[in-house]
Amino acid sequence: QVQLQESGPGLVQPSQTLSLTCTVSGGSISSGGYFWSWIRQHPGQGLEWIGYIYYNGNTYYNPSLKGRVTISVDTPKSQFSLKLSSVTAADTAVYYCARHPLGAFDYWGQGTLVTVSS
Amino acid sequence: EIVLTQSPGTLSLSPGERATLSCRASQSVSSSYLAWYQQKPGQAPRLLIYGASSRATGIPDRFSGSGSGTDFTLTVSRLEPEDFAVYYCQHYGGSFTFGPGTKVDIK
Repeated sequence: QVQLQESGPGLVQPSQTLSLTCTVSGGSISSGGYFWSWIRQHPGQGLEWIGYIYYNGNTYYNPSLKGRVTISVDTPKSQFSLKLSSVTAADTAVYYCARHPLGAFDYWGQGTLVTVSS
Repeated sequence: EIVLTQSPGTLSLSPGERATLSCRASQSVSSSYLAWYQQKPGQAPRLLIYGASSRATGIPDRFSGSGSGTDFTLTVSRLEPEDFAVYYCQHYGGSFTFGPGTKVDIK
């Protein structure tokens, strides 16, 4: 059974960089055919896809966030990470990591709330 | 950019009733990349349907998906108490787009 677990600071100061890591267990992050995404959900609102990475390092980001987002992968540690720069209160959200064979997210982490506040 | 619209915003039904949820795309999309999720408070979304009509692993057969082009439907044939939740449709076309969700609550 594949499991994903987000980790990182729950509080980030405005203008700083939000950094989160997703650890994958029960399956290899470097097995082909799967993409690894970050998705966020603002409090009480819907879902917003942030971007994804393939095990070889290829990435694709949501154009609305492009320029502030970097996703990287560490295959030996079975982890992938999110960095979101120049955060504001509008970046306060629950952040999820998820796996998708092309098209749909079949496994999700439990989510982690990140609050942007001084 | 494809925009997904879901209706109704809220659906108030009783256990045992049939729920019909709509997802409309701003332009024709491939049904191969249309998915539905269920989300309960405090939980991550759960994949119900992918490819517009294929049930994900472990999903009961009271959940079914249909549609093509711009109009897609998620049907719950008989609502169980655990089915009251928010449902999202999602499309993949290079990037991912989610609909705003339909809340199914108890009447």
